[in-house]
Amino acid sequence: QVQLQQWGAGLLKPSETLSLTCAVYGGSFSGYYWNWIRQSPGRGLDWIGEINHAGSTSYNPSLKSRVSMSVEMSDNQFSLRLTSVTAADTAVYYCARRKFTPKNSPGSSFDLWGRGTLVAVSS
Amino acid sequence: DIVMTQSPESLAVSLGERATINCKSSQNVLFNLAWYQQNPGQSPKLLIYWASTRESGVPDRFSASGSGTDFSLTISSLQAGDVAVYYCQQYYSTPWTFGQGTKVEIK
Repeated sequence: QVQLQQWGAGLLKPSETLSLTCAVYGGSFSGYYWNWIRQSPGRGLDWIGEINHAGSTSYNPSLKSRVSMSVEMSDNQFSLRLTSVTAADTAVYYCARRKFTPKNSPGSSFDLWGRGTLVAVSS
Repeated sequence: DIVMTQSPESLAVSLGERATINCKSSQNVLFNLAWYQQNPGQSPKLLIYWASTRESGVPDRFSASGSGTDFSLTISSLQAGDVAVYYCQQYYSTPWTFGQGTKVEIK
């Protein structure tokens, strides 16, 4: 059974960089887009961005200037970096999978989610 | 961005009764819509994709319909384990966006 296991620092100070990693166990890494989604009480579920096994990315324009994602295919892992965090970035961050679809065409649903990592930003 | 608006924000239904949640998109998303269930303390779980196709393992008391801008999710006979927040999500165009959620409780 395919599982996503995620980890990263849970407490940050303003202006620091958020860094999370998600590992894919028991399944293929290629043929999918690997996503980061966050959930906060005030903003609900927000899509941050995605990356495929070849490193092709798509980011939410609202966060694009601060976000970067990377993959490590040898370890079936992908990572999120979000720079210059503020209290507004406090949220539960999820990694999630969706089936590959071509660029500039409709996407696909998120069929597998990680358990989530609570990240709090506080001075 | 495509804005997804769900209604109602919450509803309380008796066990065994029907619950219906609506979702409206600000633009035509054709059939590119999914529904998720988030039980308390858990991550979201895919219930429905392509507007009306149940994910494998999802009970048939969950059904969904709609296309274009108007969609709905129905739980035909509410069970205790269906207490959750339900979200719609469009995947027609990036950024992928979610509704604000509908909380379903037992009356």
